[in-house]
Amino acid sequence: DQQVKQNSPSLSVQEGRISILNCDYTNSMFDYFLWYKKYPAEGPTFLISISSIKDKNEDGRFTVFLNKSAKHLSLHIVPSQPGDSAVYFCAAITSGTYKYIFGTGTRLKVLA
Amino acid sequence: SQTIHQWPATLVQPVGSPLSLECTVEGTSNPNLYWYRQAAGRGLQLLFYSVGIGQISSEVPQNLSASRPQDRQFILSSKKLLLSDSGFYLCACHSERGGFYEQYFGPGTRLTVT
Repeated sequence: DQQVKQNSPSLSVQEGRISILNCDYTNSMFDYFLWYKKYPAEGPTFLISISSIKDKNEDGRFTVFLNKSAKHLSLHIVPSQPGDSAVYFCAAITSGTYKYIFGTGTRLKVLA
Repeated sequence: SQTIHQWPATLVQPVGSPLSLECTVEGTSNPNLYWYRQAAGRGLQLLFYSVGIGQISSEVPQNLSASRPQDRQFILSSKKLLLSDSGFYLCACHSERGGFYEQYFGPGTRLTVT
């Protein structure tokens, strides 16, 4: 049972435009969500997170939106840069459980 | 901040051979530690996590095992590798500060079972 889903395996965006990566979850007990970026043969690096008490969190070019009623979150990257090309994972956790559940990832390609 | 070390970086092992991957953490004490596997073209699968020495939770039944002999050491093992054990293995550490959660990941080990 995939509790965290990223239904788009890949996405291509022109440099300078907006990249929108989506993530859906099924477990209503999740109350904290994170986005990670991963280059080949490296460990994932943390990008941005959001608590379920918020619906938006912004950090520079990265903004995460959370729609609890739809059990959906999205990561917006504006403007997209070629260096953003990587695999992006969303993850969810329930406070106090220490168990992170990751999605299957979306490969973003930013075209110069 | 925490630093996670993993070794080896790459490993090629024949089917049926044993496995031992090591992970050590610096910069924190009593961390929650995790082993993940990323198979080719797939997401991050949680294999094991540990909240303390000798405390291991297994998420997926398989021929792998984990041990935590010291506070900042986490070991992934197998007695006999299968072809399906090939993948990219990642060790991670949980961090929590003021209600903000994060996992730090190590550099990973690329395992190829032949």
